[in-house]
Amino acid sequence: EIVLTQSPATLSLSPGERATLSCRASQSVGTYLAWYQQKPGQAPRLLIYDTSIRATGIPARFSGSGSGTDFTLTISSLESEDFGIYYCQQRNTWLVTFGGGTKVEIK
Amino acid sequence: QVQLQESGPGLVKPSETLSLICSVSGGSLSSSHWAWIRQPPGRGLEWIGYTDGSGNTKYSPPLESRVTISIDTTKRQFSLKLTSLTAADTAVYYCARDEALGAFELWGQGARVTVSS
Repeated sequence: EIVLTQSPATLSLSPGERATLSCRASQSVGTYLAWYQQKPGQAPRLLIYDTSIRATGIPARFSGSGSGTDFTLTISSLESEDFGIYYCQQRNTWLVTFGGGTKVEIK
Repeated sequence: QVQLQESGPGLVKPSETLSLICSVSGGSLSSSHWAWIRQPPGRGLEWIGYTDGSGNTKYSPPLESRVTISIDTTKRQFSLKLTSLTAADTAVYYCARDEALGAFELWGQGARVTVSS
């Protein structure tokens, strides 16, 4: 099973600041890496798939990068609505795992 | 617009079997993968498994011995059965769709399931 480790556990930033979230895989996942945002009481929302492709309706301030085992989600300029927990997810050889999440708090 | 809706019991006894259904409105069931994902209270997401439109399945290895996912395209639904329940199976259970992206772009609202006597 591929393990995804997300860091940091919590990120506390002010609106307008840049957020950088990391996801590291225990072995290569190619480019099958996705990112989700989840707010309390809601289902997760897909932000990025295939490492860097924004899902439908996702603002351009969200971007993804990386390859192999190291991936990054960047929010270029935080808005107050961006608080929540962010999860990475991989699908390699048709088995899926999620990272433990990074909580983004808005100062 | 495609929508997913989970249904099933909110409370199940230990050692019993959980049965959940995900109803799919709109779209085609044949061309996507349909998944079950759960989230224990206060914790992260755990993939349970999925089926494609033909009934081919993949399961999470830790759960494989207890899980069955099936699809009924005529009823426009797919289902989850999880046997030998314990308190550790208490979670919100989501159904979701992967339309060949390797990611889940459509989710149901979630069904809260508590395992307790």
